[in-house]
Amino acid sequence: QQQVKQSPQSLIVQKGGISIINCAYENTAFDYFPWYQQFPGKGPALLIAIRPDVSEKKEGRFTISFNKSAKQFSLHIMDSQPGDSATYFCAPNGSGGGADGLTFGKGTHLIIQP
Amino acid sequence: GAGVSQSPRYKVAKRGQDVALRCDPISGHVSLFWYQQALGQGPEFLTYFQNEAQLDKSGLPSDRFFAERPEGSVSTLKIQRTQQEDSAVYLCASSFARAYEQYFGPGTRLTVT
Repeated sequence: QQQVKQSPQSLIVQKGGISIINCAYENTAFDYFPWYQQFPGKGPALLIAIRPDVSEKKEGRFTISFNKSAKQFSLHIMDSQPGDSATYFCAPNGSGGGADGLTFGKGTHLIIQP
Repeated sequence: GAGVSQSPRYKVAKRGQDVALRCDPISGHVSLFWYQQALGQGPEFLTYFQNEAQLDKSGLPSDRFFAERPEGSVSTLKIQRTQQEDSAVYLCASSFARAYEQYFGPGTRLTVT
């Protein structure tokens, strides 16, 4: 059973454009919805996260939109820059992110073309 | 402050050899996690420690995999009789306590030939 489905697998966006990555989950017990960013040779790093009591959270150029009824959340990167080129993972979980092993999506390889 | 460190960064082992991978978590972090990341895939959970207690080892793929954290700080992931399918990046993460963010190390890339 695949608990987390992430799409697209890869994405190419022109510099200055909007990058959108989607994540669908099945477990209704999840209460923490993070996005991680991973550069080659590095471990994943938390980029932005949302809890289910709000539908949207914005931090700089990064926005999470959350749809509880559809069991989906998405990452929007505004004014995408070449430095945003990385692999992005969603990893929803039910313990606030700290006590349980995270279940990662398969990842989205994002390339921002200059 | 220092982040999570892992050593070695790269390890090549012949099939059948035993390997030991080390993780130094952030000082004071109670929780420690090990993940396995195959090429082009997301990390997969292996095991979790709270201090020295291994509370969850449900992700360990076989009894050839063993992890320990005897003094509640440094952790070692040991793989016995390595197989080619064990080739992956092994990531360690730590968090201050329950419901806090997990911080990841750079990983150890294991290649079994």
